[in-house]
Amino acid sequence: EADIYQTPRYLVIGTGKKITLECSQTMGHDKMYWYQQDPGMELHLIHYSYGVNSTEKGDLSSESTVSRIRTEHFPLTLESARPSHTSQYLCASSGAGSGNQPQHFGDGTRLSIL
Amino acid sequence: GEDVEQSLFLSVREGDSSVINCTYTDSSSTYLYWYKQEPGAGLQLLTYIFSNMDMKQDQRLTVLLNKKDKHLSLRIADTQTGDSAIYFCAETRMDSSYKLIFGSGTRLLVRP
Repeated sequence: EADIYQTPRYLVIGTGKKITLECSQTMGHDKMYWYQQDPGMELHLIHYSYGVNSTEKGDLSSESTVSRIRTEHFPLTLESARPSHTSQYLCASSGAGSGNQPQHFGDGTRLSIL
Repeated sequence: GEDVEQSLFLSVREGDSSVINCTYTDSSSTYLYWYKQEPGAGLQLLTYIFSNMDMKQDQRLTVLLNKKDKHLSLRIADTQTGDSAIYFCAETRMDSSYKLIFGSGTRLLVRP
């Protein structure tokens, strides 16, 4: 079992609120990722990080921002939530090195913006 | 994703074998993965295969890779109702080894 944790699991909140989705891993992985997934659909990479103080935008444009101040922690923030942000957000991490480094996923946060 | 394609749906009877197929386009793929997603959960890594291998077996799971045709399959023997889930194929490439390129997922329904 991978040790990667996301909180909250579910969040229902009104438009305009600031939201932070938490993601922590205890595996010492350098690389971390955020994906956005509508139910039962494909995953879209929205942010990733190579390590501390490294953040990059993913393949799908997102209004969210991320930070990586500590290796184990990769929070995602929405400054002003809108109904279009309703989705599931999945966090993942992987180790360093050029060999096989599969990504391990958290259980996700299901976000609903009213 | 448009570079990794999967059929959307598969229905099998309990006890039968399931075969989930995936095609990819990039010949520089290094590792290919199968993930399982149950309702409301994250993705669970099932198995993976390196691109210079043809086959990998792990208990009830068999992965076959045809590199010439860029075709990957996952066979689940003796399929159980607990195997009902969405299965995602994913690849990594030499030019971006830290990224996974996902297929759109195959929903497997196991009928009792």
